[in-house]
Amino acid sequence: DTGVSQDPRHKITKRGQNVTFRCDPISEHNRLYWYRQTLGQGPEFLTYFQNEAQLEKSRLLSDRFSAERPKGSFSTLEIQRTEQGDSAMYLCASSFPTGTNTGELFFGEGSRLTVL
Amino acid sequence: KQEVTQIPAALSVPEGENLVLNCSFTDSAIYNLQWFRQDPGKGLTSLLLIQSSQREQTSGRLNASLDKSSGRSTLYIAASQPGDSATYLCAVLANQAGTALIFGKGTTLSVSS
Repeated sequence: DTGVSQDPRHKITKRGQNVTFRCDPISEHNRLYWYRQTLGQGPEFLTYFQNEAQLEKSRLLSDRFSAERPKGSFSTLEIQRTEQGDSAMYLCASSFPTGTNTGELFFGEGSRLTVL
Repeated sequence: KQEVTQIPAALSVPEGENLVLNCSFTDSAIYNLQWFRQDPGKGLTSLLLIQSSQREQTSGRLNASLDKSSGRSTLYIAASQPGDSATYLCAVLANQAGTALIFGKGTTLSVSS
């Protein structure tokens, strides 16, 4: 595996349903990030992990959103009681920590959520 | 609060032209700056990363420059091709302990043959 992988690539759901996205980072990277991108906008930071610890959460991450990274490997992002405003591309990225490396982020192909 | 602006929002050029995409940021105390390419409906592909101590980076037909003091970066694309058509995003990492990239909205480039 040479890149960040995300699953599913596209999810269509009805309002009020729960959805879960999975991200598998580059294996030697211990930082993992979630971003959200809506049409015509740049990606917006949601949360990030260093190993299994969730170190920062954006104010964009409402109580309906939860992210986990058990054992510091893959991560999941769950959205409960989805709303139409949650429709977006959810992007995952990974990196080495800054200070020991360049801090370059590598992104996956994204998971597109459509809430009807 | 760091803000990143990209101008123009969209650009159309004929094949073969050299072009410049602009990125500006409000807080010059950055750790690095990264340029990405995004094709429609796809994820982000890293193009170039410039550390705060560097002035430019080159990869093939791409050259990115950084002027921290003025809060600006440019992405120069030489001899543009239709395959260069995509959205180009600029992002800055605030500092060594910074946790997340701050992105601009991107410049959508269309190169016609």
